[in-house]
Amino acid sequence: DAKTTQPTSMDCAEGRAANLPCNHSTISGNEYVYWYRQIHSQGPQYIIHGLKNNETNEMASLIITEDRKSSTLILPHATLRDTAVYYCIVGTGTASKLTFGTGTRLQVTL
Amino acid sequence: NAGVTQTPKFQVLKTGQSMTLQCAQDMNHEYMSWYRQDPGMGLRLIHYSVGAGITDQGEVPNGYNVSRSTTEDFPLRLLSAAPSQTSVYFCASSPDVWNTEAFFGQGTRLTVV
Repeated sequence: DAKTTQPTSMDCAEGRAANLPCNHSTISGNEYVYWYRQIHSQGPQYIIHGLKNNETNEMASLIITEDRKSSTLILPHATLRDTAVYYCIVGTGTASKLTFGTGTRLQVTL
Repeated sequence: NAGVTQTPKFQVLKTGQSMTLQCAQDMNHEYMSWYRQDPGMGLRLIHYSVGAGITDQGEVPNGYNVSRSTTEDFPLRLLSAAPSQTSVYFCASSPDVWNTEAFFGQGTRLTVV
């Protein structure tokens, strides 16, 4: 599976959009991009995933560049409850066989 | 709707003791897996299963055994606990479809003294 690079930490004001970048320059054609988050020490929570088209659901939007070497997770109106570690993961296999990095710690502040 | 249930939530073991971490899911998922998370680190895959009777090793399998006799349950056994196994353990499950979401339990915090 391709390796990902994420900033260690980011801050965002409540109510503003949080844009979390991820680089995956070695991604191969059949690999998906997944985003999960972990609030405190709870179990990771799935957010969104995509192959090459932009994706949106009730939680977030995923923007994947045309060359697929990077992506951005967008939380459109961040709240304090979005404070968490966000993991960008690239892979082809079952969702139960994921390779986690250290993620981005997002701090949402008043 | 219980999802993925892990028991116990907390456990303290003495070095050399054995124990089983329980994981059960009620979503009829074929795929299940165990991860461990050490402080400040991401999750690392210990073992996984693609269906009843089928298991395989992940990134850090040493010191752990698994079996999968039913679709619902995927226990993780520590045969002789070591302080290096102090960690938070997460169980996950997902449907028998690639490129979908995984569901995680709330974790078991294990301390080996």
